[in-house]
Amino acid sequence: SQTIHQWPATLVQPVGSPLSLECTVEGTSNPNLYWYRQAAGRGLQLLFYSVGIGQISSEVPQNLSASRPQDRQFILSSKKLLLSDSGFYLCAANTITPNTGELFFGEGSRLTVL
Amino acid sequence: RKEVEQDPGPFNVPEGATVAFNCTYSNSASQSFFWYRQDCRKEPKLLMSVYSSGNEDGRFTAQLNRASQYISLLIRDSKLSDSATYLCVVTVGGSYIPTFGRGTSLIVHP
Repeated sequence: SQTIHQWPATLVQPVGSPLSLECTVEGTSNPNLYWYRQAAGRGLQLLFYSVGIGQISSEVPQNLSASRPQDRQFILSSKKLLLSDSGFYLCAANTITPNTGELFFGEGSRLTVL
Repeated sequence: RKEVEQDPGPFNVPEGATVAFNCTYSNSASQSFFWYRQDCRKEPKLLMSVYSSGNEDGRFTAQLNRASQYISLLIRDSKLSDSATYLCVVTVGGSYIPTFGRGTSLIVHP
């Protein structure tokens, strides 16, 4: 079965500082990968998804970026954080084969921008 | 109109009660349907998939109504541990993007 590792689990960053969140996947090859953000009391907002190495699609305009340097590695970055970037960031993956559509999530990274 | 809509609740029910949630979706090409459970400050976890014929897992029953474009989740004999947010997830056929509803909050009290 798939396992999603995501880190760091918690971080507090000042406005204007850079960000790097990392996610790795075990137990499957060539997964679709996703970054979601969940603001307090809100639903999950899709930020980026990737269907292969180097292939990134962005769902919303923002000061965040994503990269997929390896098949099972997905990175979320920012050069300068904003207060509005605070939230709970979740990395997720689903398999191509079998394509059940089920998403597996990492444990999340809770970001507070001060 | 949002693609996937849920009543945010909270649904406040006593232990032992039966409670049902609905989730409506707007895209008739939707093909995959799931219910996820999310505990406070945790990641969502799959509760159950929703099949055209409906499916049941213990106290949980999920149904799909394609004509009216909604899925439902029924929880029987509610337990305190069922308290959580229940997320509806829908994927359009041929799309890579699962779409989440905002979730329905359930609080089961003694």
